[in-house]
Amino acid sequence: KQEVTQIPAALSVPEGENLVLNCSFTDSAIYNLQWFRQDPGKGLTSLLLIQSSQREQTSGRLNASLDKSSGRSTLYIAASQPGDSATYLCAVRGGGNKLTFGTGTQLKVEL
Amino acid sequence: EAGVAQSPRYKIIEKRQSVAFWCNPISGHATLYWYQQILGQGPKLLIQFQNNGVVDDSQLPKDRFSAERLKGVDSTLKIQPAKLEDSAVYLCASSLDRAWQSNTIYFGEGSWLTVV
Repeated sequence: KQEVTQIPAALSVPEGENLVLNCSFTDSAIYNLQWFRQDPGKGLTSLLLIQSSQREQTSGRLNASLDKSSGRSTLYIAASQPGDSATYLCAVRGGGNKLTFGTGTQLKVEL
Repeated sequence: EAGVAQSPRYKIIEKRQSVAFWCNPISGHATLYWYQQILGQGPKLLIQFQNNGVVDDSQLPKDRFSAERLKGVDSTLKIQPAKLEDSAVYLCASSLDRAWQSNTIYFGEGSWLTVV
């Protein structure tokens, strides 16, 4: 059974700082890994999708990496802004088109 | 392109009452998912449809939860009778079935349930 863990559970940083969120998974037989953002009272917004054959994906200030063999992914956020405050979730897609989520990292970027 | 639509957005019911949530996926998306997200936790898959067939309902509490997707488009999720621990947000999502291994999953804004 796939298990996804995210560390840290919560993070508070000053504006402008670069930061890294971590995601680990137990079963490396995945098709892809997706990072989501969830704002309070809202649904999930997809940020980046990394295929199992890829090492990283970039979108603006976000960069996600994937090391499938070691079961790890990181989400790098450059020059953080207060608007980046949200919960970040990673999810892996495995066999049977099944998506398994981590518990999320709650990020607060302070002025 | 319209996103995943869900209703109602918020619902408060007493325990032992029933509730139903509705979802309309993105047009053309064959796969539809219902997730339960309890506060402070990641979403947990309740049921997954491909067109109007069930692919995975292994974590659906079938004694009180039911879901259907008639005609392979809209879906409803019902809880009867509700328990206090059912308080959560119910997220609907959809994705293209074709080349699903590489496709993004899109989520609706969720239906927030409070059972008192």
